[in-house]
Formats: sequence, structure tokens, C-alpha cells
Amino acid sequence: EPEVTQTPSHQVTQMGQEVILRCVPISNHLYFYWYRQILGQKVEFLVSFYNNEISEKSEIFDDQFSVERPDGSNFTLKIRSTKLEDSAMYFCASRRTGNSNQPQHFGDGTRLSIL
Amino acid sequence: KQEVTQIPAALSVPEGENLVLNCSFTDSAIYNLQWFRQDPGKGLTSLLLIQSSQREQTSGRLNASLDKSSGRSTLYIAASQPGDSATYLCAVNAGSQGNLIFGKGTKLSVKP
Repeated sequence: EPEVTQTPSHQVTQMGQEVILRCVPISNHLYFYWYRQILGQKVEFLVSFYNNEISEKSEIFDDQFSVERPDGSNFTLKIRSTKLEDSAMYFCASRRTGNSNQPQHFGDGTRLSIL
Repeated sequence: KQEVTQIPAALSVPEGENLVLNCSFTDSAIYNLQWFRQDPGKGLTSLLLIQSSQREQTSGRLNASLDKSSGRSTLYIAASQPGDSATYLCAVNAGSQGNLIFGKGTKLSVKP
């Protein structure tokens, strides 16, 4: 069964550094998402992406964050200047269409640790 | 603002028991509700999706119900097994772009 894949599985970065998290969504999916889960807390929506542009974003997704689909397969989340509070598990998800009967499929996540 | 709550936060049952996990949401204007399973250190595995027009969905030993007007959903697991031990998350799709709002989850432990 097709999967959403994320790399790396664990990223350790110094505070203030830029980090790029990578995702390969399922190949025929058109809607892409990033979520994060701070340890012990709820999974939180960050951003949705469709037709090469952001379709919705949360309050968390400020100017430090950006997303890109640089080619036909990858979907990336960039954090420009990381803070300690950015430490979390980041999940990428994709959905085939905008139809409400389509589930979102999640990757295994990237654990981001900011030192 | 949509809030999703799951109770109990943790549940421990002996193998073979049937069990019910609860999810409630504050705004009934949803497109669908999705149940996920999360194993420690892993991603989210989609279990069931119920559209807003549906009352229940079944997959194997799992049955999810939705009462949109009262803002509630339940996940019923029949004949529980140790392999069912995981955290179960409920999420509502309240936006036209599909962004999900999650509950904190119920951590299930099934003892052999």
C-alpha cells in the first residue's frame, strides 16, 4: 500500500539555525498538510497546500515557517530560525482529493530537537 | 472555536474485553470525523472515517459511530487483543481544506 514517507526520522539542530523537513506524499494525492505534536500534547494543524499554494494555515504557522513543493514528488517544511519551542514531532499528511470521504494519510514523522 | 475532547485519557483492560472510546466536539458543523491509531514514536494510522451524513462505519473488529447533533463519536473495539495497545486519536475535519482538529487521545493497554 502506498505510504507517505518523511525524512529524516530525527533532526537535531542548534537554536537559530534553519531546518528543512522533507516529505514524499502518496503519488496521486493532491492535498498536502503539515501537523506538529509537542511531547505530551495534541496533534496541531500547521498548514494545508493545494495547487501549489497554501490553502489554509494556523496561528502557529508564522513568518518563520514556509512550505514548498519543489518538484513533482517532494513537499517540504522550512523553519528559518529555530527556537527551543519548535521541538516537536512534525507529521506530513496527504489526501487524494478534496472530497470529504477521503481520509488523510500520515507519515511516521520527523522528531525535531532544538538545542 | 472547535474543541475535541477524548475520555478516558487512559484505559487498561484484559484481553478479550469489548471496549468503547469516547470523543466529543463542540461545533457540530463538521465535514467528517476520523479515528487514528498511534503507536509509540510512530505516525498516525487511519482506522475509520465517518462522513457528516453517516451514522457509523465498520472495519473488522472496529465500529465507529457519529452523532453530529450531540457532538459525539464512539469507537467500539470488539474482543480486544494485546496488539490493540496504542493511543487512539479522534480528529474532526471542520474546514473546507481538510485540516484536522485532534483530541488528546486515549491510551489503551490490553493485558494478556
